[in-house]
Amino acid sequence: GAGVSQTPSNKVTEKGKYVELRCDPISGHTALYWYRQSLGQGPEFLIYFQGTGAADDSGLPNDRFFAVRPEGSVSTLKIQRTERGDSAVYLCASSLKGAVSGANVLTFGAGSRLTVL
Amino acid sequence: SQQGEEDPQALSIQEGENATMNCSYKTSINNLQWYRQNSGRGLVHLILIRSNEREKHSGRLRVTLDTSKKSSSLLITASRAADTASYFCATATYGGGGSNYKLTFGKGTLLTVNP
Repeated sequence: GAGVSQTPSNKVTEKGKYVELRCDPISGHTALYWYRQSLGQGPEFLIYFQGTGAADDSGLPNDRFFAVRPEGSVSTLKIQRTERGDSAVYLCASSLKGAVSGANVLTFGAGSRLTVL
Repeated sequence: SQQGEEDPQALSIQEGENATMNCSYKTSINNLQWYRQNSGRGLVHLILIRSNEREKHSGRLRVTLDTSKKSSSLLITASRAADTASYFCATATYGGGGSNYKLTFGKGTLLTVNP
């Protein structure tokens, strides 16, 4: 597609429920990133995929968070046993790794706003 | 963790004035980027400056980088009401043997341009 698409745009769930957030990156972008942004804060890195593999998952806060990108395109961020502190906007971004001597610019989606009641 | 720290946290100016935002960071970087975020939307890339560059221009934007002080500034000249947004600096680093490219964002500066 023309841009990075994220669904759902809004998700309200109850504490303890399971949630999946989907990201459809720009076609041909091999790198995909997930960030989390709380109100009044900057985006906080969660995980980075290069192709199908998670190259860096150091930002995932705990084992309730997991992300996959099975075919190297669409990615799903999965949150188990949601807690109120998980409420935030989850941003996905993609980039064409290797462009311009390794100086990569990220293209962001509009985000998925998660509210845990 | 957030490497970049923007200053000020909030800035309010009149249309036509210049706006200057600063960013400080802690570790060595490959490049530094500035992004803009309108309320409730995703981030949009504005400009990138490499670690071996000192100044870059793009339209009404001017970015400087001082790697010895680990700081950068973003200047928006002749501001417009439509420039009202949050502005974030992001530092790019390589890890994992040079193959993992990561952008770390600061907390941002909220710019309000009054008509």
